[in-house]
Amino acid sequence: EVQLVESGGGLVQPGGSLRLSCAASGFTFSSYWMSWVRQAPGKGLEWVANIKQDGSEKYYVDSVKGRFTISRDNAKNSLYLQMNSLRAEDTAVYYCAREGGGIDAFDIWGQGTMVTVSS
Amino acid sequence: DIQMTQSPSSLSASVGDRVTITCRASQGISNYLAWYQQKPGKVPKLLIYAASTLQSGVPSRFSGSGSGTDFTLTISSLQPEDVATYYCQKYNSAPFTFGPGTKVDIK
Repeated sequence: EVQLVESGGGLVQPGGSLRLSCAASGFTFSSYWMSWVRQAPGKGLEWVANIKQDGSEKYYVDSVKGRFTISRDNAKNSLYLQMNSLRAEDTAVYYCAREGGGIDAFDIWGQGTMVTVSS
Repeated sequence: DIQMTQSPSSLSASVGDRVTITCRASQGISNYLAWYQQKPGKVPKLLIYAASTLQSGVPSRFSGSGSGTDFTLTISSLQPEDVATYYCQKYNSAPFTFGPGTKVDIK
């Protein structure tokens, strides 16, 4: 079964750091671009960042540039999001998503992990 | 950056009605447009990609059209299980911006 499972969410104070992980299974992880998408409570979807198959290209939404870093370990079939200098407005459910090969839209999503930034 | 807008922001229709949602990009994006369905408390699900291609397993009552800046998602006969928020997304280049969403419920 094709699956993405996020972990690492939790409660963190403003200015703190958190590292999210996304474990992939059921497909050849190294063949796909991968993205992180977030959704603040009661709000819409916001694309956060993506990374090329070999990690050589990375892109970010302006609001997280310089604070968040996306990375991957193809040997471990895992995607990561290192989040530093966290702000209250980063509070959201964070989803990892696969950019379907030949489709490019996000065809597989994880169940999400909640990040709460609060003192 | 290209901005995505959707209209209406919400709608209420009867079972069996034809429902149309519009998505507009502030600049041309060719056909690099996807539609997602998110049911309450659930994970988003890909419905349509490349503006008009139905994702495998999606009911044929869903269809998409458009190119350039103007796109539509149509539900030909609204069903109770279609209650959800629908999002469009551009994916021609980063940032892969989503529209603000259209909430659909049953009258």
